[in-house]
Amino acid sequence: QKEVEQNSGPLSVPEGAIASLNCTYSDRGSQSFFWYRQYSGKSPELIMSIYSNGDKEDGRFTAQLNKASQYVSLLIRDSQPSDSATYLCAVEGPGVDSSYKLIFGSGTRLLVRP
Amino acid sequence: KAGVTQTPRYLIKTRGQQVTLSCSPISGHRSVSWYQQTPGQGLQFLFEYFSETQRNKGNFPGRFSGRQFSNSRSEMNVSTLELGDSALYLCASSTRDPSTDTQYFGPGTRLTVL
Repeated sequence: QKEVEQNSGPLSVPEGAIASLNCTYSDRGSQSFFWYRQYSGKSPELIMSIYSNGDKEDGRFTAQLNKASQYVSLLIRDSQPSDSATYLCAVEGPGVDSSYKLIFGSGTRLLVRP
Repeated sequence: KAGVTQTPRYLIKTRGQQVTLSCSPISGHRSVSWYQQTPGQGLQFLFEYFSETQRNKGNFPGRFSGRQFSNSRSEMNVSTLELGDSALYLCASSTRDPSTDTQYFGPGTRLTVL
């Protein structure tokens, strides 16, 4: 079982719709969760971070975390063609000496149709 | 604040050669992590440096090594290059403050091994 799993997509939504991206993780001890956006040929860009159960909203983006179900999601409201990218879910993995090791999912490719 | 910078941006090497990549973190960030991104394996953690010490290491062979200097700049070295080392190498910096442990990525170095 992969440590962080995402549907590879592509997820295709019309402009203005809500895009829902999902991620599950295997390590129950994980405390920090991140969503990164990566355009083709570019480096990952942080969209959201979430640390506690519930929802966290930032503009058109909402991250949702359910630690009991080991599930984290990202909702993008009013999707725009410029949102078309690969979205990477990252979970801070186990490590000695409290080190910072992100475990990434394989990413979900989002396509927003004009 | 200036972002994470990486040099060089592109490199072409031949099998058997060695290569050194450089990363300058965001000012004030003392943690630097390195990742390898390939189409087949996705984003994988290589190692993390904090206060000039390697704090954690991913599952990569000993040909991959790194170091960090007193000004927090970090270098990564790959010896005896193999075709499979062709990838985008990303570094990320963070403060390592538990309340704001977000990692910010640089633009990456694209390495091609011929």
